[in-house]
Amino acid sequence: NAGVTQTPKFRVLKTGQSMTLLCAQDMNHEYMYWYRQDPGMGLRLIHYSVGEGTTAKGEVPDGYNVSRLKKQNFLLGLESAAPSQTSVYFCASSRAPQGVISSGANVLTFGAGSRLTVL
Amino acid sequence: SQQGEEDPQALSIQEGENATMNCSYKTSINNLQWYRQNSGRGLVHLILIRSNEREKHSGRLRVTLDTSKKSSSLLITASRAADTASYFCATAEGGNKLTFGTGTQLKVEL
Repeated sequence: NAGVTQTPKFRVLKTGQSMTLLCAQDMNHEYMYWYRQDPGMGLRLIHYSVGEGTTAKGEVPDGYNVSRLKKQNFLLGLESAAPSQTSVYFCASSRAPQGVISSGANVLTFGAGSRLTVL
Repeated sequence: SQQGEEDPQALSIQEGENATMNCSYKTSINNLQWYRQNSGRGLVHLILIRSNEREKHSGRLRVTLDTSKKSSSLLITASRAADTASYFCATAEGGNKLTFGTGTQLKVEL
């Protein structure tokens, strides 16, 4: 059982280039999330999805786009990369939403992260 | 903005000692979760405490929640070198989002 898989693990981009990060989960989770982690900032939510075909903005959505065409995949795109987007990106998924019930179904399963450097 | 703020930012202890980290948050919550992150890895869920619970245990972990003070604490007893990691609290306020704090870096020395 792979859980949450992110590709690629590392990428170096030049300013203005575009790229897509792929997140795949095999747990049949309905909810998926993209976070970025920067030193001293903790994790900040970029975008999330409550089901196939849906997406919503998180705390820091500017400069990113997402798509959830298939339930198991959640793609994060950078159309024109900027140095400020240098970060470690984490994908996560959960079976249930965060604010409705409180159980083991709420907890997030994270991928191993994708380290992106924009020069 | 961050919902949770952990204290201390860094903690260094000897193996066998207890480690306590605190988390404060700003708004009403549905539940509070603690996660661990080993260096260079993703976060791993440790424990969830509901807003109507005051204390919860899981192995060597003990979590308390004081909703009147909007704070939580994570106690790791009899720490081991393998407990060296960053620990994050995360709050669910409602909706579909979990908001993370800035983390406590724990180092357990032999």
